Amino acid sequence: EVQLLESGGGLVQPGGSLRLSCVASGFTFNYYAMSWVRQAPGKGLEWVSDTSASGGSANHADSVKGRFTITRDNSKNTIYLQMNSLRADDTAVYYCAKWGASGWWDLTVFDYWGQGTLVTVSS
Amino acid sequence: EIVLTQSPGTLSLSPGERGTLSCRASQSVSSSYLAWYQQKPGQAPRLLMYGASSRATGIPDRFSGSGSGTDFTLTISRLEPEDFAVYYCQQYGSSPRTFGQGTKVEIK
Repeated sequence: EVQLLESGGGLVQPGGSLRLSCVASGFTFNYYAMSWVRQAPGKGLEWVSDTSASGGSANHADSVKGRFTITRDNSKNTIYLQMNSLRADDTAVYYCAKWGASGWWDLTVFDYWGQGTLVTVSS
Repeated sequence: EIVLTQSPGTLSLSPGERGTLSCRASQSVSSSYLAWYQQKPGQAPRLLMYGASSRATGIPDRFSGSGSGTDFTLTISRLEPEDFAVYYCQQYGSSPRTFGQGTKVEIK
């Protein structure tokens, strides 16, 4: 059974930093790219970042480029999201999601999602 | 980026009724790379459909998807109590992947 478990969320002041983690199990982790997707309170879904299966490639949404960095440690079946220079509009539940296909250039859906971790940016 | 507009915003129906949800794209979605997700309160999204019309693993056949180009539809043939939720469409054919704003299916 595929499981994704996020952690690291919390309350942080504007301008602060936070690192989210997502531990995966139930599939061959180093075969699949992974992503972070966020959802502001009462709002829709917004893709944030992708990491390739090896961790050698990454993409970030324009809204977080230069502030957020996605990485992974395949020895720990874990992806991370380092969030710096946080703003109030970064307040959201952050989900990690598994890609439905194993190729970095595959056009694919998010077939499994974690339960999310809440990040609140407020003074 | 491709903007997805879902309608209606809220759909009020009774169990057993048919639900039809629409997703319109601001430009053509290549090769029907269009997905639908279901989200219940306090839960993560769940993949329902991909490739516009293929059901994900374990999704009952009362869910069906159709469409191409810029117009897509999710149909729930007979609503079950567990189907009342928010539904999002997503295009994954061009970068960045984008989601619609959601349609809430509520009990009438």
